Amino acid sequence: DVKVTQSSRYLVKRTGEKVFLECVQDMDHENMFWYRQDPGLGLRLIYFSYDVKMKEKGDIPEGYSVSREKKERFSLILESASTNQTSMYLCASTEWGGPNTGELFFGEGSRLTVL
Amino acid sequence: GENVEQHPSTLSVQEGDSAVIKCTYSDSASNYFPWYKQELGKRPQLIIDIRSNVGEKKDQRIAVTLNKTAKHFSLHITETQPEDSAVYFCAAKEPGANNLFFGTGTRLTVIP
Repeated sequence: DVKVTQSSRYLVKRTGEKVFLECVQDMDHENMFWYRQDPGLGLRLIYFSYDVKMKEKGDIPEGYSVSREKKERFSLILESASTNQTSMYLCASTEWGGPNTGELFFGEGSRLTVL
Repeated sequence: GENVEQHPSTLSVQEGDSAVIKCTYSDSASNYFPWYKQELGKRPQLIIDIRSNVGEKKDQRIAVTLNKTAKHFSLHITETQPEDSAVYFCAAKEPGANNLFFGTGTRLTVIP
């Protein structure tokens, strides 16, 4: 089974703090994603990466950056956390051309609260 | 880019009744349409998908239909059960794209 692991389930940070959310997948997937989930707004794509060191902006990249130094790890960085970044963050991975083509495998989510 | 709209945002049905969730997409080139189910406190998981060369696909009580001309696709759940209660997301993918475009989700409640 594919496993996508997010480092923290719950985080509480203060405004202005730097926040790192880590995601690791164990299926050698090339594509990894960071989504933000808010009630009524669904899953909004922040950034995605289709290869090591490659990244592309999603729908809401402002205030976020990402890092993909190794294939299995995709990090989301909030340089200076703000209260409007309080949300659930979901990481996902997939291999478009693989045996489970098209299936996104999600992590359990990281609920971030910024005070 | 692609734009996916999903309706309704909430849906309540009696146990045993059918539920239908509809999505429309904007890019006629999109060719892959998955549906994800997210139970309370859990991660979204793929429940069914359809590709543009097929008009309908069934998996037990779940079916998805695709109308390419009208650019819409629907999820049908028959004989609903309380464990079907969840948030359902539709999505669409354009050929060659590396990401999915999600709808805003439908919260389905099955009333026992």
